[in-house]
Amino acid sequence: EPEVTQTPSHQVTQMGQEVILRCVPISNHLYFYWYRQILGQKVEFLVSFYNNEISEKSEIFDDQFSVERPDGSNFTLKIRSTKLEDSAMYFCASSGSTVLGEQFFGPGTRLTVL
Amino acid sequence: GEDVEQSLFLSVREGDSSVINCTYTDSSSTYLYWYKQEPGAGLQLLTYIFSNMDMKQDQRLTVLLNKKDKHLSLRIADTQTGDSAIYFCAESSGGYNKLIFGAGTRLAVHP
Repeated sequence: EPEVTQTPSHQVTQMGQEVILRCVPISNHLYFYWYRQILGQKVEFLVSFYNNEISEKSEIFDDQFSVERPDGSNFTLKIRSTKLEDSAMYFCASSGSTVLGEQFFGPGTRLTVL
Repeated sequence: GEDVEQSLFLSVREGDSSVINCTYTDSSSTYLYWYKQEPGAGLQLLTYIFSNMDMKQDQRLTVLLNKKDKHLSLRIADTQTGDSAIYFCAESSGGYNKLIFGAGTRLAVHP
């Protein structure tokens, strides 16, 4: 069964460093998303991406964040200069249709900023 | 703004029914979802309901929607130890189906 994969499973970085979180969505899907979950808090929407551009982003998704689909299979989230409060579990999701809106989630990348 | 609230913890005996409740604020919600998260895994869609429905049954799962009170519930019949997980309620705000999640209810099933 096709699934969304994410790498790495755990990333530790120093404050101020850049990180890139990688996702491989399900191959025939067209809509891609990033969410995050700070420990003990809700899963929060960050950004959605369709047709090679951002379709919606939340207030969290400021200039420090960017997304890219560099090669037609990977979908990446870059944080340019990490802050302590960026520590969270980051989930990638993909969807084949917005009619039902079923989003398939990856297992997440735990980002720890020291 | 949009918000989804759930109770954080539920403990049930194996074989009993579990009922997980959720309330939401966005009256324009079109789809409401229940996701399950097992340890170390991503969020798995369990079931969904359209806002023009009151009830949906899918094997051991029953979803009830009270649109007037903006209340959603998930009933799991004959709860098994394998049902132990965190259950997230989510609503779709339309567009490209951004999901708004609740905080998740941790279901513990004991013998």
